[in-house]
Amino acid sequence: EAQVTQNPRYLITVTGKKLTVTCSQNMNHEYMSWYRQDPGLGLRQIYYSMNVEVTDKGDVPEGYKVSRKEKRNFPLILESPSPNQTSLYFCASSPIDRGEQYFGPGTRLTVT
Amino acid sequence: AQKITQTQPGMFVQEKEAVTLDCTYDTSDPSYGLFWYKQPSSGEMIFLIYQGSYDQQNATEGRYSLNFQKARKSANLVISASQLGDSAMYFCAMREAGYYGNNRLAFGKGNQVVVIP
Repeated sequence: EAQVTQNPRYLITVTGKKLTVTCSQNMNHEYMSWYRQDPGLGLRQIYYSMNVEVTDKGDVPEGYKVSRKEKRNFPLILESPSPNQTSLYFCASSPIDRGEQYFGPGTRLTVT
Repeated sequence: AQKITQTQPGMFVQEKEAVTLDCTYDTSDPSYGLFWYKQPSSGEMIFLIYQGSYDQQNATEGRYSLNFQKARKSANLVISASQLGDSAMYFCAMREAGYYGNNRLAFGKGNQVVVIP
């Protein structure tokens, strides 16, 4: 089954404790992206990747890191999480020449 | 500037009736794509339908159709024969071709739909 998977689905952590949210897709898509969704603000792009070893900032990259060492994986790293990073996070992927993005199930992160 | 505008308040729809969700967009790029996504209460984002700016016909996918009025910059979603499972938040989104390989989607704030039996 073609899909984007994210782990964990739910995470409660404390300020400053490094964490990684994994994202994996099995559709051989070149393009992958991370969004965060906040009430009243909608979905905003954090980082994106056009292919292996090619990543760039989206609209709200502060406090996040990413890497793309393999085509299928695009982890999101929070080196020192803060409460304002409490949000619902989505990973998405698409072929590079199409905008139709397939989303993972979401990761609900709470930072206390 | 806001790229995608969805201004309807929450809507209650009778089961089996049709519902239209409004979306207007703003772009100067001649090549762009418009998308609708559904987000049920469980949280996942489900792709529904896509319309390209050069497509001559309105897109349809099962019970979903997109009423594309290019001159008005409007891309309304029509759901025919509503079902209880259609209760969700619906997001309109746009991808502009001029983002140099970034397939970034600009999302609207969403429309809440509740289908009542």
